[in-house]
Amino acid sequence: DAGVIQSPRHEVTEMGQEVTLRCKPISGHDYLFWYRQTMMRGLELLIYFNNNVPIDDSGMPEDRFSAKMPNASFSTLKIQPSEPRDSAVYFCASRPDRGVNTEAFFGQGTRLTVV
Amino acid sequence: AQSVTQPDIHITVSEGASLELRCNYSYGATPYLFWYVQSPGQGLQLLLKYFSGDTLVQGIKGFEAEFKRSQSSFNLRKPSVHWSDAAEYFCAVGNQAGTALIFGKGTTLSVSS
Repeated sequence: DAGVIQSPRHEVTEMGQEVTLRCKPISGHDYLFWYRQTMMRGLELLIYFNNNVPIDDSGMPEDRFSAKMPNASFSTLKIQPSEPRDSAVYFCASRPDRGVNTEAFFGQGTRLTVV
Repeated sequence: AQSVTQPDIHITVSEGASLELRCNYSYGATPYLFWYVQSPGQGLQLLLKYFSGDTLVQGIKGFEAEFKRSQSSFNLRKPSVHWSDAAEYFCAVGNQAGTALIFGKGTTLSVSS
């Protein structure tokens, strides 16, 4: 398996524009997670899905952020409109449902810069 | 709520010297604990995990960690550091629902020659 695949790897956009980050989880994994990494706050859990259903979105910072998982092999994280403070590395991770707290497998991340 | 504290933001160790990275957690029940490593520009890779049983856990790349309930700690150790170990290290605890990981802010390890 190729692992968790995220695209794009780098994104530079202007303030106010819509940004869409994409993730393909490992085949057969039931959980999908979106994390945001910044120097100030470290790795924050934004939202996660189980079997394509959002379970906990309490980490989503504002209504400008939304995430979807239309099927088991694809998820998006959208920011509309984007702001400079959204600049961060966004990670997608997935894991199988084999009991509590099985380790998650991470993608390489998308580095977002909003200017 | 669960939380993880990594007290050291940055540590520098000489190549060949021993290493200990600190991790303290806050959790009401028996925690599920993890250490991940992140190389520059890369995603996170699991080093080791603790669920139950032996409190000394062996991981990949020669790392080990010891769970100490009395101290709410899960420190990562390596007896002899290699230059390739320079990276950022994250400690994590499973959330109460047993579904997601809560991470500390990380410790950056530099290795000097």
